[in-house]
This record gives sequence, C-alpha cells and structure tokens, in this order.
Amino acid sequence: KQEVTQIPAALSVPEGENLVLNCSFTDSAIYNLQWFRQDPGKGLTSLLLIQSSQREQTSGRLNASLDKSSGRSTLYIAASQPGDSATYLCAVNTIQGAQKLVFGQGTRLTINP
Amino acid sequence: SQTIHQWPATLVQPVGSPLSLECTVEGTSNPNLYWYRQAAGRGLQLLFYSVGIGQISSEVPQNLSASRPQDRQFILSSKKLLLSDSGFYLCAWSVRRTYPLTDTQYFGPGTRLTVL
Repeated sequence: KQEVTQIPAALSVPEGENLVLNCSFTDSAIYNLQWFRQDPGKGLTSLLLIQSSQREQTSGRLNASLDKSSGRSTLYIAASQPGDSATYLCAVNTIQGAQKLVFGQGTRLTINP
Repeated sequence: SQTIHQWPATLVQPVGSPLSLECTVEGTSNPNLYWYRQAAGRGLQLLFYSVGIGQISSEVPQNLSASRPQDRQFILSSKKLLLSDSGFYLCAWSVRRTYPLTDTQYFGPGTRLTVL
C-alpha cells in the first residue's frame, strides 16, 4: 500500500528566504507526482506535476524535483513571500487512467513579513 | 476555460439525515471525476472516482455512494449520515488522455459538512 509522508508538518520562516519542503513515498512504482497548495477552507490548487520519467519541473519561483528510485520529492520555493503562506500537499499517482492520487498530510507553511 | 462547481458550500445536518452534494464541470468533455474527503487531522482520502457516465469505483467501504447521471455531473449521497461523515468534501476532475495516461487533477472549492 502506497504511503506518502511530508516533513516537516509545519514550517515558519521570514520573508525572502529560500525553503525546501519534503515528500517521501513508500512505493517507487508511480506514474507521476503532484504538488498542490491549499489555502484555509479552500480547495486545492495544482502547482506542479512531474511525470515518472522527469527529474524536475519549474514554475516561476517554484521548482519540484523527483527521485523515483529513492521515493523522494522536494518542492523548492525561492524568495518566499507572505502570499506563499498555505498548506502544501504532495500526492502520487498509483494507477494509470483514472489517476488515483495518494496524498501526504501536508506541510503548513507560514511566511512572516 | 474549464471550471468546476460544488454546492452547497457549507452544510449542517443532523445524524441520520440524508445527504446530496453536487459537482459539475464546465468547459470540457469526458472528464475523469473524483470525490475526496478531508477530515480534521487527517489527509485527503479518495472516496470515489468515475471514468464515464454510470461508471463508479469506490475506494473505501462506507455509508456514502456516488452517481454520475451526466458526463459532467458527479453526485455524492448518503441515506443516513453518521457523525464520522463530517469533513471537507472536494470534487476534482482530470482530462482523460491516451498519452500520457495521467494528467493534472483540478479541484473544486469544496463543501464543508458538519454532522451534529
């Protein structure tokens, strides 16, 4: 059974810092990995999707890497801003077609002005 | 552009009452559709997914059911709610592709359900 773990559970940093969020998964036979952002009381916003054949994806100040063999992914946020404060969720896809995602518990990020 | 709607946004129901949550997607055809639940202190859990009209797959045994009466409509139901059904319910959709076989999932705004 696939299990996804995110460390740390919460992180608080001053504005402007670069930071890394971690995600690990137990079964390396994945098809892709997604990073999402969730603001309090809101739905999820997709940030980045990395296919199993890819090593990384970039979008603006965000960079996600994937090491499938070791079961790890990182989300790098450059020059953090207060607007980046949210919960960040990592999810892996366990089956083709219907894309059944298995989520981690998330990292609650607070950027202090 | 594609949009996904969920209603109601919030709901407070007594134990034993029925439930119907609705999700609709606009701007796309033949999407894969999903229902998730996010309970307090727990991660997101996939409840149901659908690859077509009338095709529903259940991920966890529970007193909930799902239906897809139209291509872009997904309904989550219960005949009798339990306290443990409280949570944040999220609907999502993804494009069904042949290659790559998997794609990004897009989530709706969610429904906050409180069972008293």
